[in-house]
Amino acid sequence: DTAVSQTPKYLVTQMGNDKSIKCEQNLGHDTMYWYKQDSKKFLKIMFSYNNKELIINETVPNRFSPKSPDKAHLNLHINSLELGDSAVYFCASSQGLDRGLAGVVEETQYFGPGTRLLVL
Amino acid sequence: AQKVTQAQTEISVVEKEDVTLDCVYETRDTTYYLFWYKQPPSGELVFLIRRNSFDEQNEISGRYSWNFQKSTSSFNFTITASQVVDSAVYFCALSDSNYQLIWGAGTKLIIKP
Repeated sequence: DTAVSQTPKYLVTQMGNDKSIKCEQNLGHDTMYWYKQDSKKFLKIMFSYNNKELIINETVPNRFSPKSPDKAHLNLHINSLELGDSAVYFCASSQGLDRGLAGVVEETQYFGPGTRLLVL
Repeated sequence: AQKVTQAQTEISVVEKEDVTLDCVYETRDTTYYLFWYKQPPSGELVFLIRRNSFDEQNEISGRYSWNFQKSTSSFNFTITASQVVDSAVYFCALSDSNYQLIWGAGTKLIIKP
């Protein structure tokens, strides 16, 4: 049983195209995330949703749009792809936000296998 | 500002040697959590450990051990009797009060047979 799954695993596309990456978790978690990992392995948070509500929206080009149809799914749509979008995109989920400690992230994030995006 | 520093960009050791990966953090929060993740060559990110700021006990799990010291703001990770399968990039991360994890840059560990 895959806990956090992403599709596709590999994505090769031309500049200017629009593409989507799908993420699903079967852990019953409330919170989901999208990260971008560049070629130097640096991990950057892009978005986070808690119970379908956007809670983190980092400085990301508005060509990137997340969508959460339900709390088990968080998809990432990218418009007008650029060369610099080439990276590995990770989806993650966590049980939820620790409301008792006012916003401190307690819950462990579990990651999907990643989607390797190459823009030509 | 919160920050995680993994000063060792790459470490290379011979199999069976012990190796320690350093993690130093900065935070103004009194309550926080620290994490270690492993990213093997296959690319997935694997959770290893979570530690809260109130628990300074060292943790041991098989060949892995973690040393949390608030006095030096460090959360170091030691692999005893390293094996080739331990080769990976290891990330240290710190929770912040904005629902995010602050990630270190990672340490690439190479275990040579």
